[in-house]
Formats: sequence, structure tokens, C-alpha cells
Amino acid sequence: GAVVSQHPSWVICKSGTSVKIECRSLDFQATTMFWYRQFPKQSLMLMATSNEGSKATYEQGVEKDKFLINHASLTLSTLTVTSAHPEDSSFYICSADTGQGVNYGYTFGSGTRLTVV
Amino acid sequence: DQQVKQNSPSLSVQEGRISILNCDYTNSMFDYFLWYKKYPAEGPTFLISISSIKDKNEDGRFTVFLNKSAKHLSLHIVPSQPGDSAVYFCAARDTDKLIFGTGTRLQVFP
Repeated sequence: GAVVSQHPSWVICKSGTSVKIECRSLDFQATTMFWYRQFPKQSLMLMATSNEGSKATYEQGVEKDKFLINHASLTLSTLTVTSAHPEDSSFYICSADTGQGVNYGYTFGSGTRLTVV
Repeated sequence: DQQVKQNSPSLSVQEGRISILNCDYTNSMFDYFLWYKKYPAEGPTFLISISSIKDKNEDGRFTVFLNKSAKHLSLHIVPSQPGDSAVYFCAARDTDKLIFGTGTRLQVFP
């Protein structure tokens, strides 16, 4: 089955630094990947849709200059949280469109817990 | 504006009984609805889905019912097992992206 690998699984960084999170499709090519953010006991909020070779489409209210998304290849999308602050601490999850139809068309990574101190 | 809502944050069910998780939505243009199971610090895993043109879909112990007029869907798990304990999210598809509900924590006790 389609596997999405997300790295790192957790990261602690100092306020003001930048953090990069990687999302890789291991056994398929993903032209479209999605980045979500989850606050404790809340929903997964879609941040942006990442398309290979083009600019990401950000959801309303998401700062594109703060959350930089790059989808340079068909198997890798990255999310960079720039100048991180404690309020950026959250659980970030990526998913990839496997092209296998609706049911298994959205395969999720295991998530990244970001803590900004 | 929460387009997909799960009004019960938690549910506790005895092993062997039926678990019913509910989900409401506001956008009549959603074409598919999906249920995901999620453990802490992990990504969601797909459980079952239903097309907006259907009213029921069944897969083993899991059945999803869709009531389009009420903009309501529910996931039935029967019989419930302790291993079903997790957070369940419903999601609705809007073109190519998924809109998630807030989740319901299911606890199945012996």
C-alpha cells in the first residue's frame, strides 16, 4: 500500500529559529500533498495544498511567508516554519494524494510534534 | 466557520455493544464522506467512506449511514472492541481536499 513518511516525528526548537518538516511518498508519486495542523483536542485544520512544481495554495488565515511549502519533486514536500514562536507549537501532519480513488487516496504521514521554547 | 462538526467530544461504550459516532455538515456540495481513526502522535488511518449518492455503506463491523436531508452521517461499530479505542474523525471531501470534524474520543471498556 501507499506509504507516506514524515520526518522528524518530533522537534524542539528555540523561538526565532526555523524548522523544516519533510513529507515523502515512499512507493508512489504524489503530485498533490496536503499539510494539516492539529491543536490539542481539536480538528485537523488544512493549512495548504502543495502541488509539485508550482506554488502552494494556502487556506484562508494561513501566513504563507511563515509556513513555507516546497514541493520540488513528485515524492517530497517540505514545510518550513520560519521564525518559529511558541504559538506555532502544534502537531503537523502531511497527507498525499495517492491517485487510488477516494478511500485510500489520502494517505497520511505519522505527524510531527513541534515545540517552540 | 466549522463546516464539519462532531458534537460529542467523547463516547464510552462497553465491549460487545454498539458504538455510534455522529457527524454533521453544512456544505451540500461535499461529494464524499470519510471516517478516520487516529491514535495520539500518529496520522489518521482510513476506516470507511460513503459517496454522497449513497445512504449506507458497510465494511465488516463498520457501517456508515448518510442522511443528506439532515446533513448528518453516523458511524456504527458493532460489536465494539477494546482495540477500537481511539479518536475518530469524520471528513468531507470538497473538490480535492478533506475538511475534518473535531473528533470523538471513543473508549471501549471491558
